[in-house]
Amino acid sequence: AQSVTQPDIHITVSEGASLELRCNYSYGATPYLFWYVQSPGQGLQLLLKYFSGDTLVQGIKGFEAEFKRSQSSFNLRKPSVHWSDAAEYFCAVGDRIDYKLSFGAGTTVTVRA
Amino acid sequence: GAGVSQSPSNKVTEKGKDVELRCDPISGHTALYWYRQRLGQGLEFLIYFQGNSAPDKSGLPSDRFSAERTGESVSTLTIQRTQQEDSAVYLCASSQLAGAGFDTQYFGPGTRLTVL
Repeated sequence: AQSVTQPDIHITVSEGASLELRCNYSYGATPYLFWYVQSPGQGLQLLLKYFSGDTLVQGIKGFEAEFKRSQSSFNLRKPSVHWSDAAEYFCAVGDRIDYKLSFGAGTTVTVRA
Repeated sequence: GAGVSQSPSNKVTEKGKDVELRCDPISGHTALYWYRQRLGQGLEFLIYFQGNSAPDKSGLPSDRFSAERTGESVSTLTIQRTQQEDSAVYLCASSQLAGAGFDTQYFGPGTRLTVL
């Protein structure tokens, strides 16, 4: 079965600084990979997804992620964070055989002025 | 509606009582999912509905949990004889397609269940 690890529980970053959130997965083949963001009181919103092709994926709100097969990673990046990026971020992997998503435990991002 | 809606947004109940959680998917979405999110953890898959096919209940943690969906409309998740470990946020998601490949799952805001 697939699994997802997000090593960082909490990250604090200054507004305007760059952000990188780590995600490692365990899966026997090339997985479907996703990043979701959850703001307080809100549902999860899809930031970006990787199915195949170019390993650098662009998403909404200026986010991007890079799939690295050799490292089993799918790290999320943003060059310059805004205060509105404060939220919880979840990495998820989807099985290519079935439809189920497995989520990491999440990384909480705090943005300081 | 414009998005997935869930009700109630918050539910506080006493141990041993039954609760019903409701999910209204995006109109036209054939697939509907229920997840549970415990404090400080990621989402756990509970159950999946696709059209009129038999639901995949493989994620339900016990027989106290059940869910129904009529056609491609509203779904209800029922928890009988609630226990304190059932306290969590229950999230519903819907997507337009499933099975043949992944399609984006759109999530509702969740129902926060607290069992006293």
